[in-house]
Amino acid sequence: DAGVIQSPRHEVTEMGQEVTLRCKPISGHNSLFWYRQTMMRGLELLIYFNNNVPIDDSGMPEDRFSAKMPNASFSTLKIQPSEPRDSAVYFCASSLDRTQYFGPGTRLLVL
Amino acid sequence: AQTVTQSQPEMSVQEAETVTLSCTYDTSESNYYLFWYKQPPSRQMILVIRQEAYKQQNATENRFSVNFQKAAKSFSLKISDSQLGDTAMYFCAFMKDSNYQLIWGAGTKLIIKP
Repeated sequence: DAGVIQSPRHEVTEMGQEVTLRCKPISGHNSLFWYRQTMMRGLELLIYFNNNVPIDDSGMPEDRFSAKMPNASFSTLKIQPSEPRDSAVYFCASSLDRTQYFGPGTRLLVL
Repeated sequence: AQTVTQSQPEMSVQEAETVTLSCTYDTSESNYYLFWYKQPPSRQMILVIRQEAYKQQNATENRFSVNFQKAAKSFSLKISDSQLGDTAMYFCAFMKDSNYQLIWGAGTKLIIKP
C-alpha cells in the first residue's frame, strides 16, 4: 500500500491567501484525522472524520479553517485567509482499527 | 483526564547499544491502547509499536519491544542494537477504548552516536 498521501509537501504563501491541503487516506480505512504540529503547541488534533462524516471539529482553531471529505479516498483542509501564526506542519492520518497511520505532512509557511 | 508523561526530554547512546525510553500514563480506564511513534528529522510520524491493555504479553517489533506494566501504568520502549537511523523524537501515546483521540506525551529526543 502507498500509505497516506499528502500534497503539497511544502507550501509557502503570503498572509491573506487561501491555502488548500490535500490528503488521500489508506484504502479501506474508515477514519481520517487532520493534525497540526508546532514547536510551541506540539501535535494538535484539528478534526476527525468517520466514514466521511465529520465527528469532532472542536480542534479547528477558528472559522478560517475548514475541512471536507467528499469521499472515502480524499480530504481537504482549507485555510482562508491564512495568517503567519498558521505556519506549522499539517498531518493527515487514517485508521481502520485504532492505529493511526500518518502521511508525510505538509510544511506550511505563511509570510 | 488522561495524561501521558515522558520524563526524559533527551537521551543519547552509542550505536549498537540498547536504550530504554520511559512513558507513564494516568487513567481510570480498564481497557485502552498504547502506542510509540517515532519522528525522524524528516518529520514523518512513524508507528513503532502498539499495545492493547487487555493483552498481558508485551508487544515486539524486530528490535523494538515494550515493557508494559499495567498496574504501574508504565509503558517503556526498548530499542536493541540501536542504529543511526533510530535517531528521532519518540512519542508515547494513549487512546481510550471508547474513544478515537490520541493523548500524546511531550516526546523524547533520542540521538544515536556513531
